[in-house]
Amino acid sequence: DIQMTQSPSSLSASVGDRVTITCRASASVDTYVNWYQQKPGKAPKLLIYSASKLQSAVPARFSGSRSGTDFTLTISGLQREDLGTYYCQQSYSTQWTFGQGTKVEIK
Amino acid sequence: QGQLVQSGPEVKKPGASVMVSCEASGYTFLTYSFSWVRQAPGQGLEWMGWVSTSNGATNYARRFQGRVTMTTDPSTTTAYLEVRSLTSDDTAIYYCVRGAGFGEPLDLWGQGTQVTVSS
Repeated sequence: DIQMTQSPSSLSASVGDRVTITCRASASVDTYVNWYQQKPGKAPKLLIYSASKLQSAVPARFSGSRSGTDFTLTISGLQREDLGTYYCQQSYSTQWTFGQGTKVEIK
Repeated sequence: QGQLVQSGPEVKKPGASVMVSCEASGYTFLTYSFSWVRQAPGQGLEWMGWVSTSNGATNYARRFQGRVTMTTDPSTTTAYLEVRSLTSDDTAIYYCVRGAGFGEPLDLWGQGTQVTVSS
């Protein structure tokens, strides 16, 4: 199965900071990587699909990019409501897989 | 945009089976298929598989093959997940999610169903 390795596993940042989360695929997944946000006690929510496309109604401070098998989620100007855990996921192979998650805390 | 409403919490004994339902509304049911994702306490997300609403085709995660069955009923716009031979390791929140097949994102999530397996 394709492994999705996320880093860091957690981070703490201040309001207004630029935050970057990385996900590395163990094999080619083309552009078929999606990013989700899960707030405490809630179901996950789709933020970015196909590596860089912003899901409808998601704030423009969220963006995604790809370089080979490395994928990045960037939050440009962290807000208090962005606290939660972020997951990458590949939908390229027949066996879908998630990264292990990155917990974002606000300083 | 749509809504997915799942059935209520379940408590089961080891060795039993559980069925979780997921009723869809607000969009054309047959246009999208369903995935199921679970989350054990304090853990990350685990994809379990998906089921096509148009022809019932399924694709299960290897670790669940033979122990889960995913189905849909277009007449009631409902998706179902059955998990058999439950153990304590199956204690988790189970989410139904719209989206399945090559390259598709998981764009609409149910509220989750808590399944607890305890003797």
